[in-house]
Amino acid sequence: EPEVTQTPSHQVTQMGQEVILRCVPISNHLYFYWYRQILGQKVEFLVSFYNNEISEKSEIFDDQFSVERPDGSNFTLKIRSTKLEDSAMYFCASKLGNIQYFGAGTRLSVL
Amino acid sequence: KNEVEQSPQNLTAQEGEFITINCSYSVGISALHWLQQHPGGGIVSLFMLSSGKKKHGRLIATINIQEKHSSLHITASHPRDSAVYICAVIQGGGADGLTFGKGTHLIIQP
Repeated sequence: EPEVTQTPSHQVTQMGQEVILRCVPISNHLYFYWYRQILGQKVEFLVSFYNNEISEKSEIFDDQFSVERPDGSNFTLKIRSTKLEDSAMYFCASKLGNIQYFGAGTRLSVL
Repeated sequence: KNEVEQSPQNLTAQEGEFITINCSYSVGISALHWLQQHPGGGIVSLFMLSSGKKKHGRLIATINIQEKHSSLHITASHPRDSAVYICAVIQGGGADGLTFGKGTHLIIQP
């Protein structure tokens, strides 16, 4: 069964460093999303992407964040200068119809 | 902004019990999702509802649009059903993101 793939599964970085989280959505899907879940809290929407541009973003998605679909398969989330409070699980999702399919997540630990 | 509330936050039950998890939201929606999150963190979509009722195996989901309320039921619960169950809503269509509840942590004891 097709699935959304995220790499790495765990990323450890120093505060102030740039990180790129990678996602390979399901191949014929048209809409792409990033969500994050801080430990013990609810999942929060960050950004959606459609037709090669950002469609919607939350107030969390500030200038430190950016997304890209550099080729036909990858969808990346970049955090320019990580802060301690960026430590969280980051989920990528994609959809074609109504159902969003989630990746297994990348756990980002900022030290 | 839609507020999504789930109850209970935590639920421990014995194997075989009938389980009900509730979700309410504050603003009209186009659809509601029930999701399952296992201890490893991965999220799986169980149901998407815009009206009425859906059934998949031992899982049943209902929604009352007028009441802004949905329920997820598990019949003949089993220890493998132990997980966090999350309600999430979407207000528009297209690329709109989901707004999530805090989840219900369910433990089914043998």
